[in-house]
Amino acid sequence: DQQVKQNSPSLSVQEGRISILNCDYTNSMFDYFLWYKKYPAEGPTFLISISSIKDKNEDGRFTVFLNKSAKHLSLHIVPSQPGDSAVYFCAASGDAGNMLTFGGGTRLMVKP
Amino acid sequence: DVKVTQSSRYLVKRTGEKVFLECVQDMDHENMFWYRQDPGLGLRLIYFSYDVKMKEKGDIPEGYSVSREKKERFSLILESASTNQTSMYLCASSFQHGGANEKLFFGSGTQLSVL
Repeated sequence: DQQVKQNSPSLSVQEGRISILNCDYTNSMFDYFLWYKKYPAEGPTFLISISSIKDKNEDGRFTVFLNKSAKHLSLHIVPSQPGDSAVYFCAASGDAGNMLTFGGGTRLMVKP
Repeated sequence: DVKVTQSSRYLVKRTGEKVFLECVQDMDHENMFWYRQDPGLGLRLIYFSYDVKMKEKGDIPEGYSVSREKKERFSLILESASTNQTSMYLCASSFQHGGANEKLFFGSGTQLSVL
């Protein structure tokens, strides 16, 4: 049973518009959440994170929102750029230390 | 910059072969991890290690073993490769437990095909 789920396997967005990637989790012990971005033929790279004591974290064009009651987080990219086209993985960790549990990924395509 | 290097980008092996995947990191990280990535399933943890000669099972350890004889090197071993082990294998490292240190640094991956 997947504890972290990304229900949209793909998303297509026009350049300049907002991209919203969603992630749901089931384990209430998760207290730290991260987003990774993966280009083809490369390993994932860290993008942005959020602790459960916050509900929003912003870094340039990227903002992560956390709704603990709904066990839901989202990544907003504004404005979207063609270079943002990649697979985005949501990940979570909790009391088990730094063992991350990853979602299945969402492939974002930003069209020029 | 942290560098995590995986020895092979592509590997093709036959069923029943013993396969070694090697990973080296250059930032003196305590923790090292092996994941496999499959479409729709994301990254699943196979094994991890907190220290030299220490290893812990992840979510899908069956059919795999690991070795960490030196801090910078973490090897994944497929004792007898099977076709269901065809996958992208990703090595990662991180500083230590807890908080912001959960950030992982990944290698570029090894695409293994077992025929």
